[in-house]
Amino acid sequence: DSGVTQTPKHLITATGQRVTLRCSPRSGDLSVYWYQQSLDQGLQFLIQYYNGEERAKGNILERFSAQQFPDLHSELNLSSLELGDSALYFCASSASSGAENIQYFGAGTRLSVL
Amino acid sequence: EDKVVQSPLSLVVHEGDTVTLNCSYEVTNFRSLLWYKQEKKAPTFLFMLTSSGIEKKSGRLSSILDKKELFSILNITATQTGDSAVYLCAYCTQGGSEKLVFGKGTKLTVNP
Repeated sequence: DSGVTQTPKHLITATGQRVTLRCSPRSGDLSVYWYQQSLDQGLQFLIQYYNGEERAKGNILERFSAQQFPDLHSELNLSSLELGDSALYFCASSASSGAENIQYFGAGTRLSVL
Repeated sequence: EDKVVQSPLSLVVHEGDTVTLNCSYEVTNFRSLLWYKQEKKAPTFLFMLTSSGIEKKSGRLSSILDKKELFSILNITATQTGDSAVYLCAYCTQGGSEKLVFGKGTKLTVNP
């Protein structure tokens, strides 16, 4: 168990809908990262938050947004869902920046858009 | 464009065999290289390498980095069926974001 908790484990929804994925980082970790894993693309970085502030963005769609709350948990919001958004969404956390920054991954949320 | 290439894409071996997984990368602001093991869902951390030529070991697994030639290898000796998984290689860059850029992985199957 990595100590990173993601809910829900599975989500099934329809095109056009909006969903929220939740992540609780390991105790004491300030950074939260979101990744998308699809069959053809592998693991792709979406966005990073550090202590409540957005630090970096990857190829995150405009329909997607995220935030990190004062208690350091994070939410990833996906709206106007399309079939192609079906994927595994992972959250990872790390203690801080620096050379020994190791990211620990949660078990993921499997999103199926029908 | 920064990228990570892993080879082979898949590998089938028998228990007791030794395997070597390869990872080459192209990146401008290299900070570290990481190996993860992904079984059913969550990638689990194996190694982080930052310096060339220093081997990291954990039981039957070991890894080494060559920063001059821009590659890393992951060795698994005396493989067991529990080693069956996808092994992911990723690099982390310097400055600003600590995002990981992943390769597509090597799928290892260890048969009894």
